[in-house]
Amino acid sequence: TQLLEQSPQFLSIQEGENLTVYCNSSSVFSSLQWYRQEPGEGPVLLVTVVTGGEVKKLKRLTFQFGDARKDSSLHITAAQPGDTGLYLCAGARATGKLIFGQGTTLQVKP
Amino acid sequence: DSGVTQTPKHLITATGQRVTLRCSPRSGDLSVYWYQQSLDQGLQFLIQYYNGEERAKGNILERFSAQQFPDLHSELNLSSLELGDSALYFCASSLRGGGYEQYFGPGTRLTVT
Repeated sequence: TQLLEQSPQFLSIQEGENLTVYCNSSSVFSSLQWYRQEPGEGPVLLVTVVTGGEVKKLKRLTFQFGDARKDSSLHITAAQPGDTGLYLCAGARATGKLIFGQGTTLQVKP
Repeated sequence: DSGVTQTPKHLITATGQRVTLRCSPRSGDLSVYWYQQSLDQGLQFLIQYYNGEERAKGNILERFSAQQFPDLHSELNLSSLELGDSALYFCASSLRGGGYEQYFGPGTRLTVT
């Protein structure tokens, strides 16, 4: 059973387009983290959201945590080829265990 | 660079063998986590240690074991290896153990032939 569902699984867009990645669950998490992973490398933490309804911005990336702390979204404005990679959301349990979504593979073509 | 180090980077071994993967957490972090990443299963949590003690267990096989030493480095032992154990193994660390931000190492790619 996949506790965190990410959509879409694959996304191929042109440079300059906007996109949104969704991360949904029926479970409540104490926090939710977004990571970006390059092939063969470890995931790199982008942001952590903790409070329901929280919105965080990181340059062209906007992260939102749902009011009920069960879902999140990542919106990228004016995507660039350097944004290409695997985006992972991860819900945190109070014990520290992270539940990862299957990931969204983003390809931004120049 | 996350500050988490893992060795070795690559490991090729035969079925039935035993290997040890090593992880050094970021300076000051007390919690270490181990993950397995394969193409068909995604990133799977294996086990967590906090200040030397096991804190949480995930989908870790009985053939696998881990420990965290007094200097906080951790080792993941994989025994009776099978072809299906081929995967990327990541270690992550965090300051506390309560689901806070985890920082991942570069991983060890294990290939079982």
